[in-house]
Amino acid sequence: DGGITQSPKYLFRKEGQNVTLSCEQNLNHDAMYWYRQDPGQGLRLIYYSQIVNDFQKGDIAEGYSVSREKKESFPLTVTSAQKNPTAFYLCASARDSRNTEAFFGQGTRLTVV
Amino acid sequence: GDSVTQMEGPVTLSEEAFLTINCTYTATGYPSLFWYVQYPGEGLQLLLKATKADDKGSNKGFEATYRKETTSFHLEKGSVQVSDSAVYFCALAHGSGNTGKLIFGQGTTLQVKP
Repeated sequence: DGGITQSPKYLFRKEGQNVTLSCEQNLNHDAMYWYRQDPGQGLRLIYYSQIVNDFQKGDIAEGYSVSREKKESFPLTVTSAQKNPTAFYLCASARDSRNTEAFFGQGTRLTVV
Repeated sequence: GDSVTQMEGPVTLSEEAFLTINCTYTATGYPSLFWYVQYPGEGLQLLLKATKADDKGSNKGFEATYRKETTSFHLEKGSVQVSDSAVYFCALAHGSGNTGKLIFGQGTTLQVKP
C-alpha cells in the first residue's frame, strides 16, 4: 500500500541532544512538508521541500534542520537550539507543490525529559 | 498574510444532531480550501476540499461550500455519529508561489455523545 510513514511514534529527548525524526513516502510525491502541532493550536510549517536536493524554511524553522537527498525521504532534525521542542510533529507529502492535496503521516510525539 | 479562523471548541452534540463548524479565511489570490480530520493520536486525513468559488466539497455525509463573498468554508453534517468525534481543521493552500503550503485554523474538537 502506498503511504507516508513516520517513525518513531514516540520519542524522548534529553535537553541538549539532537534528535532526528524519520519521514518516508512511497507515493512518488515531489513535495514534502514538516508541521508542528501544539495542544489547542493548528499546525505550523517548519520546513518544506518542492523537489529533491532543495528545501525552504517555513514559519518556525529556527532550531530545526532537514535534508532531501532522496525523493522518498525528508528527515527532520530537532537541534538543541530549539528551546521548546516538546510537540507533535507531522510530515506530509503532495504530488507536487501545485497540487495542494496533502497526505499526512501518523505523527511523532517528541517529549523532552 | 493569509490566515484561517475557526470557531472555538469543544463542540458537544448528541448523536444524530446537526453539525456546523464555522471557518472563515483571509487570503490573497484564489486559494483552495480544505477540511482535515484528526482522530486521537493520529495524523490528519483529508475530509473534503474545494478549489474555486461556489464549489461544494463533500465526503462521508460532510459538506462545505466555498463562499468567496463571505470568505467562508463552513463544515456541515446533517446527522453526526459517535464515530465522528475528532478534531477538525480548516485549511487553505497558500495563495502565492504555488508552494503547496497549507495554513491551518486552530482546530475544533467535536465530541458526540450517544
